[in-house]
Amino acid sequence: QVELEQSGPQVKKPGASVKVSCRTSGYTFIHFGVTWVRQVPGQGLEWMGWINPYNGNTVYAQNLQGRVNMTTDSSTNTASMDLRSLISEDTGVYYCARYVWSVSGSYLDFWGQGSVVIVSS
Amino acid sequence: DIQMTQSPSSLSASVGERVIISCQASQDIDKSLNWYQQKPGEAPKLLIYGASTLGAGVPSRFSGSGSGTDFTLTISGLQPDDFATYYCQQYDALPWVFTFGPGTRVDL
Repeated sequence: QVELEQSGPQVKKPGASVKVSCRTSGYTFIHFGVTWVRQVPGQGLEWMGWINPYNGNTVYAQNLQGRVNMTTDSSTNTASMDLRSLISEDTGVYYCARYVWSVSGSYLDFWGQGSVVIVSS
Repeated sequence: DIQMTQSPSSLSASVGERVIISCQASQDIDKSLNWYQQKPGEAPKLLIYGASTLGAGVPSRFSGSGSGTDFTLTISGLQPDDFATYYCQQYDALPWVFTFGPGTRVDL
């Protein structure tokens, strides 16, 4: 069965960087994209960007350009998201999700459990 | 950029009721619209993709409709398990950008 298992909670100081990983299983890694979505406490969902594991191509949300970097490792079927120059507003839960694109639509069909990131001095 | 709005932002309903949630895009997105359900402390779950296609394993009481700028999610016969927050999400085929709506919370 398809599973996405994310790394554990992290506490970081403002200005630092954080790396969140997402280990996938149960499907052919390079055949689907990986999207990252975050959720600030008590708020809605924010799309951060996605990566195509087949060729490494990425698309990032405009407001995160220059601070976010998404990578994949096909040898371990793992996707990672790095966010640098952290500010308190980056505190939240970060999700990875499998991205399906097809003639019938593009959607996020399987999600990781979420990784808590707290930015605090 | 395409903006998404949802209405209402929250609603109270009873078990067995029919619930309708609206989602509006700031410009024509054809049928590039998905719906997700999220319960507190859990990851979102795909309900509907392509505006009207039910996701795998999703109960048939959920349905989606619409195209262009106006979309609806209907829950026909609300069940106790359906109390959650619902998000619409549009996708631009180029440059492959997603945008979520602000969400609609369904309470008892």
